[in-house]
Amino acid sequence: ETGVTQTPRHLVMGMTNKKSLKCEQHLGHNAMYWYKQSAKKPLELMFVYNFKEQTENNSVPSRFSPECPNSSHLFLHLHTLQPEDSALYLCASSQVASGGNEQFFGPGTRLTVL
Amino acid sequence: AQTVTQSQPEMSVQEAETVTLSCTYDTSENNYYLFWYKQPPSRQMILVIRQEAYKQQNATENRFSVNFQKAAKSFSLKISDSQLGDTAMYFCAFMKPFLVDSNSGYALNFGKGTSLLVTP
Repeated sequence: ETGVTQTPRHLVMGMTNKKSLKCEQHLGHNAMYWYKQSAKKPLELMFVYNFKEQTENNSVPSRFSPECPNSSHLFLHLHTLQPEDSALYLCASSQVASGGNEQFFGPGTRLTVL
Repeated sequence: AQTVTQSQPEMSVQEAETVTLSCTYDTSENNYYLFWYKQPPSRQMILVIRQEAYKQQNATENRFSVNFQKAAKSFSLKISDSQLGDTAMYFCAFMKPFLVDSNSGYALNFGKGTSLLVTP
């Protein structure tokens, strides 16, 4: 595997389910991100992890819970979601250093909440 | 907070023609980074081109070039000799410089995107 991978690619869940999204980066980066992409809206940054420490939580509801066990893996735990949470969830990684390094994106998980 | 505006929701161009996608942004920062990302249908988002605000020279990558106007806070993308494979959503994004002391400033702020269709 190369780059940034995400599993599952598609997920359908009921509002009472608990599920997790997984992201893995094979680029040796030290920062990872979760974004939400909804139709007709800009990508919304959800969480940032730098050196496994969460450095940003962009006012995300507590029904979304991130976990970063090491610099290569990032999870997004989902619990009691709402239909409006249906979206494409993108994971990204980058090498944080002085300067603006690009972020590399995964293919995303298409989430549908019934 | 920085805002990024892409005023063209959809655009269309014929193969081999040139098209320009517009992007404006709002910031009080003097040093920052700008990006254009491409997201083809059902495929991963990839970087097209980047520009450092402290560089006056416009960035170019093969058929892709930017027109960076710092005073006007404008960052347009020009695609020359358009190809069918250029059909995609194009996102303009802004990044503040990374600040070691605060350990922050490297998140991307995206515009809403422009859907570009290249026709034969």
